[in-house]
Amino acid sequence: GNSVTQMEGPVTLSEEAFLTINCTYTATGYPSLFWYVQYPGEGLQLLLKATKADDKGSNKGFEATYRKETTSFHLEKGSVQVSDSAVYFCALSPATGNQFYFGTGTSLTVIP
Amino acid sequence: GAVVSQHPSRVICKSGTSVKIECRSLDFQATTMFWYRQFPKKSLMLMATSNEGSKATYEQGVEKDKFLINHASLTLSTLTVTSAHPEDSSFYICSALDTGLAATDTQYFGPGTRLTVL
Repeated sequence: GNSVTQMEGPVTLSEEAFLTINCTYTATGYPSLFWYVQYPGEGLQLLLKATKADDKGSNKGFEATYRKETTSFHLEKGSVQVSDSAVYFCALSPATGNQFYFGTGTSLTVIP
Repeated sequence: GAVVSQHPSRVICKSGTSVKIECRSLDFQATTMFWYRQFPKKSLMLMATSNEGSKATYEQGVEKDKFLINHASLTLSTLTVTSAHPEDSSFYICSALDTGLAATDTQYFGPGTRLTVL
């Protein structure tokens, strides 16, 4: 079946620290992989995506590489800011069908 | 582009009443929309898939008679919580697939609706 496992939070970092949020998946075929971000009181916003193996998605300083061999899509940022405080969701969309599978979300708090 | 709106953003109602939540794709057409429920500190739970012009497909454990979904046009889907009870209090989020895109694998999410049932 399809599933997403995401590291549990909460994660608290100081400003300018390095961020890694781990995400691994189980899927048949070649799914598309996504990171969504949810700021307090808001809906989900697409942060980045990758549609095939070895693709790197990037946006706003965040990066994630689609690793087929390790079935992973870890989110990284070299220097976090207070404004990055939010909940981050890893998700996959199977090769067939439109249904999304979400991880449980990781809460990130960046302190000045 | 790819903006999805929800209305209302917040609603408080009495137990036993029905509440309708609207989800609109503002600048694209969406044959398929999704309704999710998000519990505090939990991930999103897919409730149903809404297809324009046909009946919604509900996930296992979701009561179709309680959560009525109508997708009457390519830009609007509605979720009606009938005879709401306090346990229905939650954050409801819709998303939409852009029908016009060749690769329709990206869902665009609405801002969510906070439902509180007293």
